[in-house]
Amino acid sequence: DVKVTQSSRYLVKRTGEKVFLECVQDMDHENMFWYRQDPGLGLRLIYFSYDVKMKEKGDIPEGYSVSREKKERFSLILESASTNQTSMYLCASSRSSAPNEKLFFGSGTQLSVL
Amino acid sequence: SQQGEEDPQALSIQEGENATMNCSYKTSINNLQWYRQNSGRGLVHLILIRSNEREKHSGRLRVTLDTSKKSSSLLITASRAADTASYFCATESSNYKLTFGKGTLLTVNP
Repeated sequence: DVKVTQSSRYLVKRTGEKVFLECVQDMDHENMFWYRQDPGLGLRLIYFSYDVKMKEKGDIPEGYSVSREKKERFSLILESASTNQTSMYLCASSRSSAPNEKLFFGSGTQLSVL
Repeated sequence: SQQGEEDPQALSIQEGENATMNCSYKTSINNLQWYRQNSGRGLVHLILIRSNEREKHSGRLRVTLDTSKKSSSLLITASRAADTASYFCATESSNYKLTFGKGTLLTVNP
């Protein structure tokens, strides 16, 4: 089975801190995604990547950046955390950019920015 | 941008009953997928139905797709307490990204 591992289950940070959320997948998937999930808003796509060193903006990229230096690792960076970035962050991967691929999700990181 | 919208937002049933959740979307799709999320955890893929398919089964799950009405339904038969979770539909459009709805919270009472 594909395993998508997010480095932290819970994280508490202060406003203005730089925050790194790490995600690793072990099945050589080409695509990786970062979503945030908020009550009443569902999942919203922040950034995704189709290949190493490649990134594309999702629907809500403001305030975030990403890094994909190796195929298995996709990092989400909050340059200066703000309270409105308190959320559940979900990383996902898929095998390729072909149609009809399913996503494999990590367990999520609940981030609180105080 | 939200593509899929689930209905109802919340559903409470007794164990052994069937649960039906609906999803509506706005634009043409390659496929529609259903995912399940246990409280505070990541999502797990349940089933994928392609745009040229009308019905698909997987165990106790039955999914239908009506592209003329831009809608899908997920039926869980003979529900169990362990089916308690949030269920999300997700649509894949031409750019191969998945767009998720807001989910239906299903509670199955023992």
